[in-house]
Amino acid sequence: EIVLTQSADFQSVTPKEKVTITCRASQSIGSSLHWYQQKPDQSPKLLIKFASQSFSGVPSRFNGSGSGTDFTLTINSLEAEDAATYYCHQTSRLPLTFGQGTRLEIK
Amino acid sequence: EVQLEESGGGLVQPGGSLRLSCVASGFTISNYWMNWVRQAPGKGLVWVSRIDNDGKSISYADYVEGRFTISRDNAKNTLFLQMNGLRADDTALYFCAKGDLVDLWGRGTLVTVSS
Repeated sequence: EIVLTQSADFQSVTPKEKVTITCRASQSIGSSLHWYQQKPDQSPKLLIKFASQSFSGVPSRFNGSGSGTDFTLTINSLEAEDAATYYCHQTSRLPLTFGQGTRLEIK
Repeated sequence: EVQLEESGGGLVQPGGSLRLSCVASGFTISNYWMNWVRQAPGKGLVWVSRIDNDGKSISYADYVEGRFTISRDNAKNTLFLQMNGLRADDTALYFCAKGDLVDLWGRGTLVTVSS
């Protein structure tokens, strides 16, 4: 099983700050890494597909990068509405797996 | 509007069974792989199972293999998850999700396994 480890379980950040969340895979997954945002009591929403491709309708402040085993989600100029938990997810190999999630608190 | 709506959750005793359904609207599920993903209360996302467009290729997470069965009725635009031998640690919000990219999720249906 491919284990995805996110850099932090929790981050407290201020509006307009630039935020970086990293995701490390236990083995190479190419670019088959995707990022989701889940707000409280809502279902997850796809932000970034295949490491760096923005999903339709996602604000341009969300960007992804990386390949192989190391990936990064960057949120430029954080807004209050970005308070959520962010998950990385790999579709390279079964079983499909998710990172443990990183909860962003807006100060 | 493109959406997924799950149903069938509830309270069940250990060892019991439930059948979850997921109805799609605004798109045709026959064009997509479909998934079930669950989330225990206060916990992260965990993939459960997926099925290809016509139901011929099916995969499960190890912890549900032999207990859960995924299926689909493309004519009714509906995905199913038959869950048998339920255990307390199966308690979770169960989401259906569209595509091999998992790019659309329903709101989930809550399954509680408790005596």
